[in-house]
Amino acid sequence: QKEVEQDPGPLSVPEGAIVSLNCTYSNSAFQYFMWYRQYSRKGPELLMYTYSSGNKEDGRFTAQVDKSSKYISLFIRDSQPSDSATYLCAITKTSYDKVIFGPGTSLSVIP
Amino acid sequence: EADIYQTPRYLVIGTGKKITLECSQTMGHDKMYWYQQDPGMELHLIHYSYGVNSTEKGDLSSESTVSRIRTEHFPLTLESARPSHTSQYLCASSGGGADTQYFGPGTRLTVL
Repeated sequence: QKEVEQDPGPLSVPEGAIVSLNCTYSNSAFQYFMWYRQYSRKGPELLMYTYSSGNKEDGRFTAQVDKSSKYISLFIRDSQPSDSATYLCAITKTSYDKVIFGPGTSLSVIP
Repeated sequence: EADIYQTPRYLVIGTGKKITLECSQTMGHDKMYWYQQDPGMELHLIHYSYGVNSTEKGDLSSESTVSRIRTEHFPLTLESARPSHTSQYLCASSGGGADTQYFGPGTRLTVL
């Protein structure tokens, strides 16, 4: 079993839709959770970072962590064509452990 | 915006050539990483460094080597390039408590 799993998509939604992107992980020791966005042929950029359980909001983006279910989510409200990208979740146990990246979910927002 | 740079951005080279991919960051981060990523595929960690004179191999076996003589510089070298090395190479650095990594723009390598 992989340490982190993510539906690769592709996911296609109309502009303005609410998007839900999800990852599951296998080890309850993970404490730090991140979401990255990667546009085609570019390096990933950090979108959100959360520690432990709970929600974190930044503009149209909300990151949610449910440690009891080992489930993390990224919600995008009022999705825009510029949100079309691959979204990678990333997890780690401590600041000295390697970060484990999910394989990414490809999202297309159709105008 | 993170200040991490990679050169060259694109490189087309013949089999057997020695190449060095450059990566520099101006944030004073101790940790630096090299990832390999094929189009539409996962990131694979090939090398990392937690500080000067410290380098480790990552999860994906790679014929490349790295060095870390200065904090800001983490070059990757391929002694003899082969077509199987064709890929995108991404450099990242981290200095945060949660190892939040900042990525460079990548080098797209094609070996003919």
